[in-house]
Amino acid sequence: AQSVAQPEDQVNVAEGNPLTVKCTYSVSGNPYLFWYVQYPNRGLQFLLKYITGDNLVKGSYGFEAEFNKSQTSFHLKKPSALVSDSALYFCAVRDPGFQKLVFGTGTRLLVSP
Amino acid sequence: EAGVAQSPRYKIIEKRQSVAFWCNPISGHATLYWYQQILGQGPKLLIQFQNNGVVDDSQLPKDRFSAERLKGVDSTLKIQPAKLEDSAVYLCASSRTGTDNEQFFGPGTRLTVL
Repeated sequence: AQSVAQPEDQVNVAEGNPLTVKCTYSVSGNPYLFWYVQYPNRGLQFLLKYITGDNLVKGSYGFEAEFNKSQTSFHLKKPSALVSDSALYFCAVRDPGFQKLVFGTGTRLLVSP
Repeated sequence: EAGVAQSPRYKIIEKRQSVAFWCNPISGHATLYWYQQILGQGPKLLIQFQNNGVVDDSQLPKDRFSAERLKGVDSTLKIQPAKLEDSAVYLCASSRTGTDNEQFFGPGTRLTVL
C-alpha cells in the first residue's frame, strides 16, 4: 500500500529566505505525487504535481518540487518565502495502479516578517 | 469555472443524532470524493465515486456512514447515528477521470458532535 511521510510538523522561515518542506513516499510502482496547500477554514488548493518527465516541477505561487526516485522524495521548495505563504502544506501520493490518493499529515509553514 | 460547493459550512449536533452533507462538484468532473479530516491529520478518503458508481469505499464506516450520487452529479454524505469521534471537517473533492488528474476541493463542512 502507498504511504507518504512529512517528517516536520512545522517549518519556520524568515520572509525572503528560501524554504523547503520535506516529503518522502512509498509505493510499489512509479508514483504520482501532489502538493496541496490549506489556508485556515478553507479546503485544499492544488499547487503542483509530478506524473512523469522532468524531475523539477513548477507550480502555482512560485513553488516548485523536485522528484528524487533514489531517495523516494518530493520536497517542496520556493526561492524566496512570503508571509502570505504561511499555511498548512500536504504532500500526497497515488500508486497509478490504485485509485486512492493518500495524504501526509501536513507541515505547517510559518513565514515571519 | 465555479468551484466545488458544499453545504452546510458548519454543523453542531449531539451524539446519536443524524446529519447530512451536500456536495456539488465542478461541472464535467466525473469523479467525486468525500474525505474526513480530523484536526491535526491529513484528509482520509471515505468514498470515491466514478459517475454514480462507487470506486472505493474501503474506509467508510458503513454501519453509520452512507453516501450516494444518484444522478452522477451532486452527492450527499450521511452519518446516522453520530459519535463523538466523528467530529471533523468533511471535504468533498472532484476531478476529471484519470489517476493523474489533480483533485479540486470544496471549503468543507466542520462537524462538531457534542
